[in-house]
Amino acid sequence: QVQLVQSGPEVKKPGSSVKVSCKASGGTFSSAIIIWVRQAPGQGLEYMGRAVPLRGFVNYAQKFQGKVTMTADKFTSTAYMELSSLRSEDSAIYYCAKAHLGYCDGTGCYSDAFDIWGQGTRVTVSS
Amino acid sequence: DIQMTQSPSTLSASVGDRVTITCRASQSISIWLAWYQQKPGKAPNLLIYKASSLETGVPSRFSGSGSGTEFTLTITSLQPDDFATYYCQHYHGLGTFGQGTRVETK
Repeated sequence: QVQLVQSGPEVKKPGSSVKVSCKASGGTFSSAIIIWVRQAPGQGLEYMGRAVPLRGFVNYAQKFQGKVTMTADKFTSTAYMELSSLRSEDSAIYYCAKAHLGYCDGTGCYSDAFDIWGQGTRVTVSS
Repeated sequence: DIQMTQSPSTLSASVGDRVTITCRASQSISIWLAWYQQKPGKAPNLLIYKASSLETGVPSRFSGSGSGTEFTLTITSLQPDDFATYYCQHYHGLGTFGQGTRVETK
């Protein structure tokens, strides 16, 4: 059974960047879509964007365009999410999740629902 | 972006109650709707996919229905382990989550 193992907690200064990793243990990213989701303290789930390692395809929610960079290495089965220009409002738990890639066409890539989740990485932004 | 609206935001119920949560999409999403359960300090857990398909290992008291823009999650007989927060998610393409529904003890 594939598990997603995320990197450890981070404490960052405002204005800096953070890079969180998400590695598949017991499996690969060969046919997968990886999404990143964040959850601020006491708040709901916020969809940030997705990456398709097999295709080198990334797609960000409008709110995070220019703020986040998602990459994925299909050879090491590791995905990365880098968040820049950090502010206190970026303090949250960041999750990666994986779904089976269904297909890609001219309009994008489409998947099943997200059945495997990482354990979450807490990012704290504080001066 | 497609918007997902869940209701209610909080639901007070007792063990054995039938519970229904609604999720509405701002435009048709066919059946590309999932439901997740999240407990404090834990990652979300997939319950339902394609609007009505039960994920392997999920108890049969959970069921989903709907298509297009209106969807429901039903728990037929609420169990102590079911007190949690539930989220819907449109996942076909660039996805979105609903705001969440917290199921609490009455």
